[in-house]
Amino acid sequence: KNQVEQSPQSLIILEGKNCTLQCNYTVSPFSNLRWYKQDTGRGPVSLTIMTFSENTKSNGRYTATLDADTKQSSLHITASQLSDSASYICVVSKGRVTGGGNKLTFGTGTQLKVEL
Amino acid sequence: DTGVSQNPRHKITKRGQNVTFRCDPISEHNRLYWYRQTLGQGPEFLTYFQNEAQLEKSRLLSDRFSAERPKGSFSTLEIQRTEQGDSAMYLCASSLDTGGYQPQHFGDGTRLSIL
Repeated sequence: KNQVEQSPQSLIILEGKNCTLQCNYTVSPFSNLRWYKQDTGRGPVSLTIMTFSENTKSNGRYTATLDADTKQSSLHITASQLSDSASYICVVSKGRVTGGGNKLTFGTGTQLKVEL
Repeated sequence: DTGVSQNPRHKITKRGQNVTFRCDPISEHNRLYWYRQTLGQGPEFLTYFQNEAQLEKSRLLSDRFSAERPKGSFSTLEIQRTEQGDSAMYLCASSLDTGGYQPQHFGDGTRLSIL
């Protein structure tokens, strides 16, 4: 069973609208949570990294939140653009190691499509 | 461009052949990772190097797979006697061990298709 679950699996929104993607995890012990954007046929690109003590982090129009008590995270995209069409992957790092080795557990991603 | 570079971008080969992929990490990064990604899934960890030392290997990495990172710079991933189940995107990532939380920087992958 995947320890990082994302919802929805896919989402279609109109350009200019906002959306929120969800991530629930059971990875323990928790170190940090990352959101990546992956365009079709490309490698993932880091958007945010949050540690246990951080509950929100922004990167331009992307804002990630973290509730370490409920083990939930969200990624909010504001004023969506066509270029936001991509897969958004939630990644949780466990243990005290800062991400080396097999410490990262990837979700299966939310496929976002932004239309005119 | 100083990002992670992977070659080739695409590889098509017949079942049973050997293939080798190359990854050039960001030059100052001492950690290098290999992942495999199939359609609709997130990347799955294969192996990890700290400088030239291969520190971890996933059980996904069968004895047909071997990875090297001579001199702690570029890395190669070789698959021997390829099988159709090996068809996937092979991603390389690198990061810098600073003691803090550093993101992994991914290359654009090598897409392997087994005929």
